[in-house]
Amino acid sequence: QSALTQPASVSGSPGQSITISCTGTGSDVGNYNYVSWYQQHPGKVPKLMIYDVSNRPSGVSDRFSGSKSGNTASLTISGLQAEDEADYYCISYTTTTTWVFGGGTKVTVL
Amino acid sequence: QVQLQESGPGLVKPSETLSLICSVSGGSITSDHWSWIRQPPGKGLEWIGNIYYSGTTKYNPSLKSRLLISVATSKTQFSLNLNSVTAADSAVYYCARRKNGSGRMDVWGKGTTVIVSS
Repeated sequence: QSALTQPASVSGSPGQSITISCTGTGSDVGNYNYVSWYQQHPGKVPKLMIYDVSNRPSGVSDRFSGSKSGNTASLTISGLQAEDEADYYCISYTTTTTWVFGGGTKVTVL
Repeated sequence: QVQLQESGPGLVKPSETLSLICSVSGGSITSDHWSWIRQPPGKGLEWIGNIYYSGTTKYNPSLKSRLLISVATSKTQFSLNLNSVTAADSAVYYCARRKNGSGRMDVWGKGTTVIVSS
């Protein structure tokens, strides 16, 4: 199975909105609403930010939102803050009943 | 509240078997899916596999021939065994819980570092 495709890096200024894409195929992202997003700060455990495309766990800021169109899922961070600087990973269920991560996106707050 | 803790040797010799245990506290493995994920140094996350509480397993195709995930009879631990390891298997290994019927992998262990070296 091939990793989902994410941009290597995305940047924005404080207060701006950024969107991270996660592109798969009809065998994963396009076929299921089981896409999650994780935030990982250096040396830390990944933190669940969005699950099942657009659901936010309790305690996660509403500045984080998720969506999906066709084979591409997206994570939008609005009102960008310095603490949002981290790596972000998407993961999707697949038709082979396994899971596949994206390669990760480094978010930089300018 | 469920908490997870990985344990196992931090150093494994090439060609040997990497064995890790994930201990579950604040609950037991009587529902949901229990996963292993790894992250090589400086690289991204890789899904290794998971086990349903009933014992059904799903494995990453790239690791399937070397991998075994099982649940202990106590139902408070599950394990990972990866044989014939090489330096490419050096990574931080995480265990995690995924809620049944959802992609919500919401509880993770702190991770344990495994280095494969002679």
